[in-house]
Amino acid sequence: KNEVEQSPQNLTAQEGEFITINCSYSVGISALHWLQQHPGGGIVSLFMLSSGKKKHGRLIATINIQEKHSSLHITASHPRDSAVYICAVRFRIYSGGGADGLTFGKGTHLIIQP
Amino acid sequence: GAGVSQSPSNKVTEKGKDVELRCDPISGHTALYWYRQRLGQGLEFLIYFQGNSAPDKSGLPSDRFSAERTGESVSTLTIQRTQQEDSAVYLCASSLVYASTGELFFGEGSRLTVL
Repeated sequence: KNEVEQSPQNLTAQEGEFITINCSYSVGISALHWLQQHPGGGIVSLFMLSSGKKKHGRLIATINIQEKHSSLHITASHPRDSAVYICAVRFRIYSGGGADGLTFGKGTHLIIQP
Repeated sequence: GAGVSQSPSNKVTEKGKDVELRCDPISGHTALYWYRQRLGQGLEFLIYFQGNSAPDKSGLPSDRFSAERTGESVSTLTIQRTQQEDSAVYLCASSLVYASTGELFFGEGSRLTVL
């Protein structure tokens, strides 16, 4: 079964710290998404990657296709970055027993303290 | 519209009643997805639409769940004879083209509580 694993599950850090959230997956993918879910529940798409690196403001996402691993970095973290960060993967061949679609990690719950 | 719109935002119902949840995707987005998120859990894929077609409905949790899409626009997720285990946030997302490398846009979700 295709799997997506995120680490850490929970992360508490102080304002200003550099944050790294990791996502590993089991087999080849066509795309990987990083999503942000705030306490109110709304989900925002941060990045979509199939290779290399992308940057948006203080957020950086990287992916290593050979190692089947992606990281989301937050520089100069701020309390407003507190959210659940979700990695979602579109496998090239979906074998999760259902329809072809995204497979989601369980999320990383990030708290940035002032 | 400007974004993905879902309604109702909150629904409280009694066990055994039917509920309908609506998703209005971004205009022109051919792909539409439904997900479920139980309290404290991750996102669970339910069904997707390419245009008005749902090629595979095996992600739906039971035969009490059904979904349709018309006009390559609005989609409705219907849960019949609701059970307490159906309580969750139901999220809809759309993208320009299915299985592309394009961005996903999510609605705010419909929070369903079955008493």
